[in-house]
Amino acid sequence: SAVISQKPSRDICQRGTSLTIQCQVDSQVTMMFWYRQQPGQSLTLIATANQGSEATYESGFVIDKFPISRPNLTFSTLTVSNMSPEDSSIYLCSVERDENPREQYFGPGTRLTVT
Amino acid sequence: GEDVEQSLFLSVREGDSSVINCTYTDSSSTYLYWYKQEPGAGLQLLTYIFSNMDMKQDQRLTVLLNKKDKHLSLRIADTQTGDSAIYFCADRGGSQGNLIFGKGTKLSVKP
Repeated sequence: SAVISQKPSRDICQRGTSLTIQCQVDSQVTMMFWYRQQPGQSLTLIATANQGSEATYESGFVIDKFPISRPNLTFSTLTVSNMSPEDSSIYLCSVERDENPREQYFGPGTRLTVT
Repeated sequence: GEDVEQSLFLSVREGDSSVINCTYTDSSSTYLYWYKQEPGAGLQLLTYIFSNMDMKQDQRLTVLLNKKDKHLSLRIADTQTGDSAIYFCADRGGSQGNLIFGKGTKLSVKP
């Protein structure tokens, strides 16, 4: 498996502000992903963040709203910019181990409330 | 696009078996997964099955795959109160090979 931590675990933010979420993995991985889980909903992939290349965003998500950094093989950040109440969600990062890309492991999530 | 469907709720008594069902639409699925999410926690990978298999057993968990009908099920034997959680089915397929998740089935186990 993989040990993944996220900071912060939860936050309450004012509309119009930005929040940066950190994801740390216990070993080097090439593939990292950011998901959003809206209240009572399933997970939706925001983007794939591979070290050494620009993040690849899914339909409906743009870099200006969700900029991502991937400075090394154990760390990534997702920023939620210019927040509105519709951005209230759980944000999860996940990784696939290079030696077994069939398995995807998730962090504990960041619970964001925008007021 | 690809879609994964699950029933939203299941209630069972402690000690009974639970069966959670999932259907998917993607013909090019390679792997299908079951994840468990406890309240306030992230997703825990429970098990997964390769698309050319029809059954996989792992302790109390049995996964059945009917590829012809695109139907996946997760059976939990001797269900315990600690099994109460939301269970997500996910399909890896499509042009990008990303995971597509169902909405999750909330399992409630009554003592």
